[in-house]
Amino acid sequence: EDQVTQSPEALRLQEGESSSLNCSYTVSGLRGLFWYRQDPGKGPEFLFTLYSAGEEKEKERLKATLTKKESFLHITAPKPEDSATYLCAVRASYSGAGSYQLTFGKGTKLSVIP
Amino acid sequence: DADVTQTPRNRITKTGKRIMLECSQTKGHDRMYWYRQDPGLGLRLIYYSFDVKDINKGEISDGYSVSRQAQAKFSLSLESAIPNQTALYFCATSENDRGYYGYTFGSGTRLTVV
Repeated sequence: EDQVTQSPEALRLQEGESSSLNCSYTVSGLRGLFWYRQDPGKGPEFLFTLYSAGEEKEKERLKATLTKKESFLHITAPKPEDSATYLCAVRASYSGAGSYQLTFGKGTKLSVIP
Repeated sequence: DADVTQTPRNRITKTGKRIMLECSQTKGHDRMYWYRQDPGLGLRLIYYSFDVKDINKGEISDGYSVSRQAQAKFSLSLESAIPNQTALYFCATSENDRGYYGYTFGSGTRLTVV
């Protein structure tokens, strides 16, 4: 069974205080690891896809990295507008219809205090 | 207009009532999904569809049914609503390929069953 565990559940940062969110996963062959941002009352918004260990992606103050067992979302000098819940999801590489499903973690709620 | 539109945005219904949640998309994607989100449990897959004639059960399909009326429309029905179906429901779409960009989510329907 595919599993995704995100930590911490919640994180409070001062504006400008850099930190990282963790996503640990167990999957039978990784086809892709996805990061999403979710604001209250809204649907998740796609941020990054990572496919192989060692891969990195960046967008503004966010950088996502991937190893064989986990992914990190690094937030550099965060601003209050970065406050949101960040979700991690994986897609397994087994064949058939199930290979297009995503398994989501429970998310990390990030609060950035001015 | 949003790429993925869900109606209604909010709904309060009574136990035992039948209710339908609707989703339409302008992305031109073949694949559509219904997820529910509960505090502390994350996003869980209810049903998914790869085209009009291909409907598949997800992790938690009991008590739900779906209809894919057209490529752009995917409806979720609760035949006899119960209080533990109170949740935030999301429709999502993905491309007919490896889904590099992950899913595109709607803004959600907040359903309360009293």
